[in-house]
Amino acid sequence: VMTQSPLSLSVTLGQPASISCRSSQSLLFRDGNTYLSWFHQRPGQSPRRLIYKVSNRDSGVPDRFSGSGSGTDFTLKISRVEAEDVGVYYCMQGIDLFTFGPGTKVDIK
Amino acid sequence: EVQLVESGGGLIQPGGSLRLSCVASGFSVSDYGMTWVRLAPGKGLEWISFIRSRPVNMHYADSVKGRFTISRDSTENSLYLQMNSLRAEDTAMYYCARVDSITWSFDYWGQGALVTVTS
Repeated sequence: VMTQSPLSLSVTLGQPASISCRSSQSLLFRDGNTYLSWFHQRPGQSPRRLIYKVSNRDSGVPDRFSGSGSGTDFTLKISRVEAEDVGVYYCMQGIDLFTFGPGTKVDIK
Repeated sequence: EVQLVESGGGLIQPGGSLRLSCVASGFSVSDYGMTWVRLAPGKGLEWISFIRSRPVNMHYADSVKGRFTISRDSTENSLYLQMNSLRAEDTAMYYCARVDSITWSFDYWGQGALVTVTS
């Protein structure tokens, strides 16, 4: 089971934002990797992966996005929110098939 | 360039069947795991099915097990989702995605196919 908090977040442009994701089991696999990803979905668009293996940014993802954490607790941070960051953010585990968190809806205050 | 294009969505009555297709370009579907994910109205993303590259085996979420079947055709370079015994709660946008086995995550997504189950 994946949980996220908060489920909704209103942020002022230029201010930071932080989303927490928690897994009911450790996402550390026996190969030493932790299979936790973050996705962003804007309204009417397909999801886009931002972060894989906890903290690795995908190509083209702005460096204002960062991921951290270990074991069962993870965080996605946006250092300075921009208008294009609105939408829903999901964490996902890939250690036991796949499970998404419930999503965190981010909008601009 | 990697691209995934879904088709086959539509309006269907409860109990009916539908087959979704996902045509891939820029890579071979037989070389990668592939998956289907759906987004129901007012809900979050739900993983529903996964087909491994090698060995070939298939996995399903409990919500669709026994009703949905994932498959692929290397000659068509396509992924499929056969959906039987459809229910109102299967109404959703269905996305195919490529599974990156290095990261055990979904690195490329299609644009989605809308399935509406209603009488």
